[in-house]
Amino acid sequence: EAGVTQFPSHSVIEKGQTVTLRCDPISGHDNLYWYRRVMGKEIKFLLHFVKESKQDESGMPNNRFLAERTGGTYSTLKVQPAELEDSGVYFCASSQEALGGYTFGSGTRLTVV
Amino acid sequence: AQSVTQPDIHITVSEGASLELRCNYSYGATPYLFWYVQSPGQGLQLLLKYFSGDTLVQGIKGFEAEFKRSQSSFNLRKPSVHWSDAAEYFCAVGFYYGGSQGNLIFGKGTKLSVKP
Repeated sequence: EAGVTQFPSHSVIEKGQTVTLRCDPISGHDNLYWYRRVMGKEIKFLLHFVKESKQDESGMPNNRFLAERTGGTYSTLKVQPAELEDSGVYFCASSQEALGGYTFGSGTRLTVV
Repeated sequence: AQSVTQPDIHITVSEGASLELRCNYSYGATPYLFWYVQSPGQGLQLLLKYFSGDTLVQGIKGFEAEFKRSQSSFNLRKPSVHWSDAAEYFCAVGFYYGGSQGNLIFGKGTKLSVKP
């Protein structure tokens, strides 16, 4: 079974630019999550999709972040415009079982300069 | 508010020595508890989880963890550390609602170094 795939693995952009991160969950997983780890801080929850619907987006930091999951398959997370404090590692995870634990991707390291 | 504390930011142990990584949580109900490991350049891998039942949980790679409700702890242990265990370890508490698994709250992580 293929794992959770994220790309790009690294992205360096200038402040004010737009970046789109993509996550391909494990096939058949209805639940998809986005997390972020800013340098030196905890990994923090951003949002949770169940199929194509946003179940919980309480962790999204502000309206510069937009997540979509069209058709309930892959998801994108767009940051527009990017700010310096958006730098960090963005993780995606998926799960199918209610209490099975997640499978995480390798993350996208975003650097805003 | 729910929180997870990993008091040790960095631990160094000798190869073959035993290991215990500490984790304390603050949560109003019975928590769902997890330990994840992140090796360099890799994603987060689930080591083990506790939902209910036996408070001593066995995981992959020879790890185990014990849930102690009275101490609000879920410490991770391994009797003999291997050099390949060098990584960052994260404790997390999870929520479950509406028939699906909700978000995790993570500790700040403990970086493990292994001396030869």
